[in-house]
Amino acid sequence: TQLLEQSPQFLSIQEGENLTVYCNSSSVFSSLQWYRQEPGEGPVLLVTVVTGGEVKKLKRLTFQFGDARKDSSLHITAAQPGDTGLYLCAGDFGGKLIFGQGTTLQVKP
Amino acid sequence: DVKVTQSSRYLVKRTGEKVFLECVQDMDHENMFWYRQDPGLGLRLIYFSYDVKMKEKGDIPEGYSVSREKKERFSLILESASTNQTSMYLCASRWGATAGELFFGEGSRLTVL
Repeated sequence: TQLLEQSPQFLSIQEGENLTVYCNSSSVFSSLQWYRQEPGEGPVLLVTVVTGGEVKKLKRLTFQFGDARKDSSLHITAAQPGDTGLYLCAGDFGGKLIFGQGTTLQVKP
Repeated sequence: DVKVTQSSRYLVKRTGEKVFLECVQDMDHENMFWYRQDPGLGLRLIYFSYDVKMKEKGDIPEGYSVSREKKERFSLILESASTNQTSMYLCASRWGATAGELFFGEGSRLTVL
């Protein structure tokens, strides 16, 4: 069974701080995705990374895919209360999409 | 816009009952998935399907079965519900086999008493 270890599981920070969430596995992914979920809703895709070493930016969010395609990180610069939510990484193993445990982010004003 | 619709937002069932969770997508997606979501465990894959009448076990298929008689509809069946199946169930679909965006329904919260 493929496993994705996501850390930290919970993060509570003040507005304006930076943070990084990590997603690690012993398996190689064909691609990796990051989703964000708000209460009462399904997860929504933020980004897909496919190539080892790839870096993608989405406003204040920076996503990086490890060179060996076994790990990924999400960095948020100057977090805002609107960033509050559950962040999930998901690795694609031959069509089967496996999710990490999730990181609950709380950004206080 | 892609829409994934789950038939019930909230269900309360008794132990031993048969439970059907229905999911319909309107974008002709080939792939459909059922996950359950529990605090601290993230989303765990129950079953997925590449095409009509095709199904593959995910990581936690025990106690569940699925049906995909039409491309747009993927049903999750709990033959005999148990209390440890109390959870949030999420259906998702996507076009293509890999790297595609998953579109999720709003979820069905099932409580088994």
